[in-house]
Amino acid sequence: NAGVTQTPKFQVLKTGQSMTLQCAQDMNHNSMYWYRQDPGMGLRLIYYSASEGTTDKGEVPNGYNVSRLNKREFSLRLESAAPSQTSVYFCASSEQGWRGYTFGSGTRLTVV
Amino acid sequence: AQTVTQSQPEMSVQEAETVTLSCTYDTSESDYYLFWYKQPPSRQMILVIRQEAYKQQNATENRFSVNFQKAAKSFSLKISDSQLGDAAMYFCAYRSAEGGSEKLVFGKGTKLTVNP
Repeated sequence: NAGVTQTPKFQVLKTGQSMTLQCAQDMNHNSMYWYRQDPGMGLRLIYYSASEGTTDKGEVPNGYNVSRLNKREFSLRLESAAPSQTSVYFCASSEQGWRGYTFGSGTRLTVV
Repeated sequence: AQTVTQSQPEMSVQEAETVTLSCTYDTSESDYYLFWYKQPPSRQMILVIRQEAYKQQNATENRFSVNFQKAAKSFSLKISDSQLGDAAMYFCAYRSAEGGSEKLVFGKGTKLTVNP
């Protein structure tokens, strides 16, 4: 099915460990995004990529890095995980205009 | 920067009744898009309804409709004939229509409970 695929769906890390969240879309969208969702905070933008080869910081970029590997793939890396990064992470993609986003199914990350 | 406010952290409704979720936003732009997303316990984000700011007519999708008041910067969601499957978190979101500014700004969400 066409859409946004995120892996993994669940992950537990120890403080200081690193990991990469993978995201791929097959809708030929130019723009891709990483959000984190915390209780009572809604979804907050971490990083986004308006087109292949470009990335920009969002509202809460500290502690994260991203790579727009090609038009399809946009990964999020935690170099040294901290308990404050315990959250649900969503990848999304969009085309220009008013159609909104297509979201992945989310990754629940716990840092202990 | 644009902000989106959902003033009701939680709402409840009886099955088959009508409920309205509130959303206000702050922007200096004249052209933008507004959205309501539903997030059931499965965690999936589902687009419920969308509105273009330049359209005066309120959007409607089956049992879901909006009351868009541009001057008041208000964008409420009305759910008619509520069903148990409507129980979820609902997020209001804003997106600029300016080229290159396609980021969605979300409110903090409203948790809707549907009572049988």
